Amino acid sequence: SYELTQPPSVSVSPGQTARITCSGDALPKKYAYWYQQKSGQAPVLVIYEDSKRPSGIPERFSGSSSGTMATLTISGAQVEDEADYYCYSTDSSGNHSWVFGGGTKLTVL
Amino acid sequence: QVQLVESGGGVVQPGGSLRLSCAASGFTFSSYGMHWVRQAPGKGLEWVAFIRYDGSNKYYADSVKGRFTISRDNSKNTLYLQMNSLRAEDTAVYYCAKGATGRNPYYFDYWGQGTLVTVSS
Repeated sequence: SYELTQPPSVSVSPGQTARITCSGDALPKKYAYWYQQKSGQAPVLVIYEDSKRPSGIPERFSGSSSGTMATLTISGAQVEDEADYYCYSTDSSGNHSWVFGGGTKLTVL
Repeated sequence: QVQLVESGGGVVQPGGSLRLSCAASGFTFSSYGMHWVRQAPGKGLEWVAFIRYDGSNKYYADSVKGRFTISRDNSKNTLYLQMNSLRAEDTAVYYCAKGATGRNPYYFDYWGQGTLVTVSS
């Protein structure tokens, strides 16, 4: 079955740039999406279709995709950005199945 | 504002059944695809199932195919998940989530707060 691979954890100091990667064989052909989940809360969409930011999401959140890797970048990370981040996409087989990456715990301290 | 409220979770024995509901409001429910996503305790997110806006197509994760059925009642603005032959590994918080757009309903822009399903003897 298709897999998206993320690092388990990323740690930055406040104000630094955090980069979270997501690798998958179908990402050259399929969009990546990013969800933020704070402790005890439902996930929130922060990036869609590789690089688009929903309304209400701070400009410090950006996304990019190149080859088999998508990247979520948080420029000037804030303490309130500490959360689990999940990438989401589908494979290229056309079997209508979607997957999340394993998630990355972002620590800002 | 969009609201999704799940209900129907609880404790069930292995092999048992449960039906989850998701009451939707704040948007035209009959125009959007809908999903179920689950999260086992302390684990990551897992996509479970999708249903098109009119119920004409349904897709499932391999882990639940043949055991779970997604359905909807557009007259009641309600999404359902019928879960049969439940296993311990189905223990999770189950979220309903709204498909983002008509053009691309395969990702979600709003989530409910989830309902906990525990499969245990």
